[in-house]
Amino acid sequence: NAGVMQNPRHLVRRRGQEARLRCSPVKGHSHVYWYRQLPEEGLKFMVYLQKENIIDESGMPKERFSAEFPKEGPSILRIQQVVRGDSAAYFCASSPSLGWNTGELFFGEGSRLTVL
Amino acid sequence: GNSVTQMEGPVTLSEEAFLTINCTYTATGYPSLFWYVQYPGEGLQLLLKATKADDKGSNKGFEATYRKETTSFHLEKGSVQVSDSAVYFCALPAGGNYQLIWGAGTKLIIKP
Repeated sequence: NAGVMQNPRHLVRRRGQEARLRCSPVKGHSHVYWYRQLPEEGLKFMVYLQKENIIDESGMPKERFSAEFPKEGPSILRIQQVVRGDSAAYFCASSPSLGWNTGELFFGEGSRLTVL
Repeated sequence: GNSVTQMEGPVTLSEEAFLTINCTYTATGYPSLFWYVQYPGEGLQLLLKATKADDKGSNKGFEATYRKETTSFHLEKGSVQVSDSAVYFCALPAGGNYQLIWGAGTKLIIKP
């Protein structure tokens, strides 16, 4: 089952360290989305990428956060100098096209970041 | 822009009870509407969808009808099971671009 693969599933970092979260989309999907979910809350859009391009990063904090989706390899969400408020579940989703009539996003199981 | 309002949770029911989770929307035109489900410790997955007015989406015993008169897409199930315990999200496209607008999610707890 070649669904969206995220790793690590759980990551613990101390304040000031870096966190790198990886996402391999469904095979053949060229659109990747990152979402953040705080405990007991809904999803917050962070960034939308296509291969080698950031299309929309309007949901991503301007400082410390970056994302990429290289030609080869997984998409990476990078958080530098983590703070306790970064503790959350980070979900990656992929889709094959922009056709919202199909509208299905395929989600990974998430990466749960805990900042001590 | 488009928006969605979803019933607050948690909703606690006994097994075999009837379920309704309300979702209302505002939108330009008639976009597709979606319900996603998130089981504990997992990512979201599409539960059902409706692509035009009066369509009924259904899956796993759940149903939702796209009602333009009341701008609603309520989720229903006739007899819930413990395994239906999850968080349910209503969503619709954000007015013509690639984003989905998400409801806040409704946590459903089914007691045996």
